[in-house]
Amino acid sequence: DVKVTQSSRYLVKRTGEKVFLECVQDMDHENMFWYRQDPGLGLRLIYFSYDVKMKEKGDIPEGYSVSREKKERFSLILESASTNQTSMYLCASSPAGLAVTGELFFGEGSRLTVL
Amino acid sequence: QQQVKQSPQSLIVQKGGISIINCAYENTAFDYFPWYQQFPGKGPALLIAIRPDVSEKKEGRFTISFNKSAKQFSLHIMDSQPGDSATYFCAASINTNAGKSTFGDGTTLTVKP
Repeated sequence: DVKVTQSSRYLVKRTGEKVFLECVQDMDHENMFWYRQDPGLGLRLIYFSYDVKMKEKGDIPEGYSVSREKKERFSLILESASTNQTSMYLCASSPAGLAVTGELFFGEGSRLTVL
Repeated sequence: QQQVKQSPQSLIVQKGGISIINCAYENTAFDYFPWYQQFPGKGPALLIAIRPDVSEKKEGRFTISFNKSAKQFSLHIMDSQPGDSATYFCAASINTNAGKSTFGDGTTLTVKP
């Protein structure tokens, strides 16, 4: 069974702390994504990566950075957490090349609360 | 500028009824239109998807209707069941940007027994 695993389901952090959200996929997918989900706002793309060590900004990259050192792992970093970053964070992956279908495979989410 | 507009924001349907969720898009380059279903505490999962070369796709009780000229597509859930209660997201993407999807705001569906 294909899987995207987000290691932390619930986190509570204080303003100004550095936060790492980790995501691992076991499907050998080239593409990985970080979305933010807020009520009434749908899913908004923060960053994405088409290959190892490659990253591109999505629609709302401010206040975030990412790291992709290995194909299966994509990390989201909040350098200095702020209360307006309290949200649900969703990691997703998808295949590329001949295996492209357009489908995204999501993890179960990491709910971050910044106090 | 929101590229995919979804309505309604919430929907309450009686068991056995038809649930209809609508989406409209702006970018004519979009060529993949999926619907995702999300249960509480879970990530979204692909429910059904359509490409613009067909006007309708049906999988069991779920049907996507697609109107290319109007730039609209909709999800119909026939014989709605309490187990269908979830949040539904429409999305659109350009397949060459594999997976870089633009999502609607979501619709929370409640099916009453």
